[in-house]
Amino acid sequence: EIVLTQSPATLSLSPGERATLSCRASQTISTTYVGWYQQRPGQAPRLLIYGVSSRATGIPDRFSGSGSGTDFTLTISRLEPEDFAVYYCQHFGGSPRHTFGQGTKLEIK
Amino acid sequence: EVQLLESGGGLVQPGGSLRLSCAASGFTFTDYAMTWVRQAPGKGLEWVSAISFSGGNERYYADSVRGRFTISRDNSRNTLYLQMDSLTAEDTAVYYCARATQGRFEWWGQGTLVTVSS
Repeated sequence: EIVLTQSPATLSLSPGERATLSCRASQTISTTYVGWYQQRPGQAPRLLIYGVSSRATGIPDRFSGSGSGTDFTLTISRLEPEDFAVYYCQHFGGSPRHTFGQGTKLEIK
Repeated sequence: EVQLLESGGGLVQPGGSLRLSCAASGFTFTDYAMTWVRQAPGKGLEWVSAISFSGGNERYYADSVRGRFTISRDNSRNTLYLQMDSLTAEDTAVYYCARATQGRFEWWGQGTLVTVSS
């Protein structure tokens, strides 16, 4: 069973700064099925990135994804106030089985 | 516009049952696999179950719910269901339905809260 470990658990930054969120898989996984989601307080999650680096519909280009093998990264180039939220990475394995990381909380410094 | 509207949540006693519904609109329901994801209070996301676009025998479950939960869909009503039996406190969560495409969850409902407590 694949385990996704996100780091850091909490990231404190200011608007305008660059955010780098990490997701590490317990074994090599296919990039085709790696995604990132944003969840604001009291809201449902929203798909940001799929296939490691493809932005979902309507997602601003300040969001980007990268990685391969076991290490994946979500980067937010310049933080806007609405970007402060919890972010989850996700992998779709066989069977099918979906796995989420435990989340990174991005908070205002 | 794609819309997913969950209903059926509420308070249930341990060992009880509940059936969740998810009404879909704004897209061709039969073209998509559907899934349920839950989130316990203050916790992260946990995938629960998935069903193929046709339903049939292509139904999948997380180990934590296999044998207790049953996913189904009524394509004539554009509705997804989750029958939950033998509920325990560990099943307390907000349950989201989501539209699935190639392993990603493109659209989510707003969720329905299930509380298992005596």
